[in-house]
Amino acid sequence: QVQLLESGPGLIKPSETLSLTCTVSGGSVSNYYWSWIRQPAGKGLEWIGRIFIRGSTNYNPSLKGRVTMSVDTSKNQFSLRLSSVTAADTAVYYCARGTSGWDVFGGQGTLVTVSS
Amino acid sequence: DIQMTQSPSTLSASVGDRVTITCRASQSISSWLAWYQQKPGQAPDLLIYKASNLESGVPSRFSGSGSGTEFTLTISSLQPDDFATYFCQQYHSYPHTFGQGTKLDIQ
Repeated sequence: QVQLLESGPGLIKPSETLSLTCTVSGGSVSNYYWSWIRQPAGKGLEWIGRIFIRGSTNYNPSLKGRVTMSVDTSKNQFSLRLSSVTAADTAVYYCARGTSGWDVFGGQGTLVTVSS
Repeated sequence: DIQMTQSPSTLSASVGDRVTITCRASQSISSWLAWYQQKPGQAPDLLIYKASNLESGVPSRFSGSGSGTEFTLTISSLQPDDFATYFCQQYHSYPHTFGQGTKLDIQ
């Protein structure tokens, strides 16, 4: 069973770039799509985007070009970068394994707080 | 973007009840819909994919139906472990979008 572990800074300042990594165990990062999804406290889920090993990506236009995703096959990891963060980007960030369409969450998520 | 609207937002029920949650899409998504269950402090768990297919390991009391723009998640006989928040997600087109959630609590 594929398991995922999100990692990254818990606190980041406004205007900085958020960087998160998801480490994959129990499977190869080369075999699937990989997604990032976030959830502000007490609110619903927002799909951030998805990447496939061949480099194709789909990002949520609501994030206005601030998102970049990448895959590191040597480390069996994939990453999220979100630039110019504001308080509105404060959320629990989840990584997930993408399938033919739906997402399978495999980690516990990581809380990112944007505050000066 | 395709908008997903769930109803009700909150549902109170008792153990043993049969409950239904509805998810409506702003345009046709065929059967490209998933349902998730989320408990406090945990990541969502996949219950149903392609509108009516039960994910492996999910109890058979959960079922999904619908196509086009209207979908339902039914729990045939509520168990104590089922009190949680439920989300639908469309994956017909990017960006994949979620409903706002339905909180199922104990009456």
